[in-house]
Amino acid sequence: DTAVSQTPKYLVTQMGNDKSIKCEQNLGHDTMYWYKQDSKKFLKIMFSYNNKELIINETVPNRFSPKSPDKAHLNLHINSLELGDSAVYFCASSQGGWVQPQHFGDGTRLSIL
Amino acid sequence: KQEVTQIPAALSVPEGENLVLNCSFTDSAIYNLQWFRQDPGKGLTSLLLIQSSQREQTSGRLNASLDKSSGRSTLYIAASQPGDSATYLCAAPAGGGSEKLVFGKGTKLTVNP
Repeated sequence: DTAVSQTPKYLVTQMGNDKSIKCEQNLGHDTMYWYKQDSKKFLKIMFSYNNKELIINETVPNRFSPKSPDKAHLNLHINSLELGDSAVYFCASSQGGWVQPQHFGDGTRLSIL
Repeated sequence: KQEVTQIPAALSVPEGENLVLNCSFTDSAIYNLQWFRQDPGKGLTSLLLIQSSQREQTSGRLNASLDKSSGRSTLYIAASQPGDSATYLCAAPAGGGSEKLVFGKGTKLTVNP
């Protein structure tokens, strides 16, 4: 009964490929997020959706496209992967935006060869 | 622009010791501040969320304080245990009505048996 689940846990792929990471939460939350944690462990927000509507869109290359088919899912599609995209990507959710605690998935470790 | 700093970057203590982790933030116009724990290869676990109207929040052996005027928060861990070993991150809202959370780089805590 994992609260926030991401798949896959590990993703190893070649530069230039397109890949997707899926996220699902069963907490009934209305807000979902994507974060990127780089090699120096610095965690930065990328996107936030509230009830399927984009709320936060940080300065992220447009090769990254989030998609929220419903409020329980927020997927991240990445086109033309580059070496600098190697990182751990975390999905999170909360009820009522940032005023409530955020619940994180275990992350997807993306490695670009 | 909100900046969050955590000192020290790493801390090693013997089991049973009481300890304090520090977090400072530059924009004190915040509604709340959160403390998270991250275990290796895992996502973040929300520990405590302090609202701006509160000065302290307690959960078990953890106590977090918030002093907006000085731009500081502390996380106090009583009677530390080896299971407390993890990286502890604090996060504050970006400010200006933004829903973004800005994270510190974390303090890596090691509790030695």
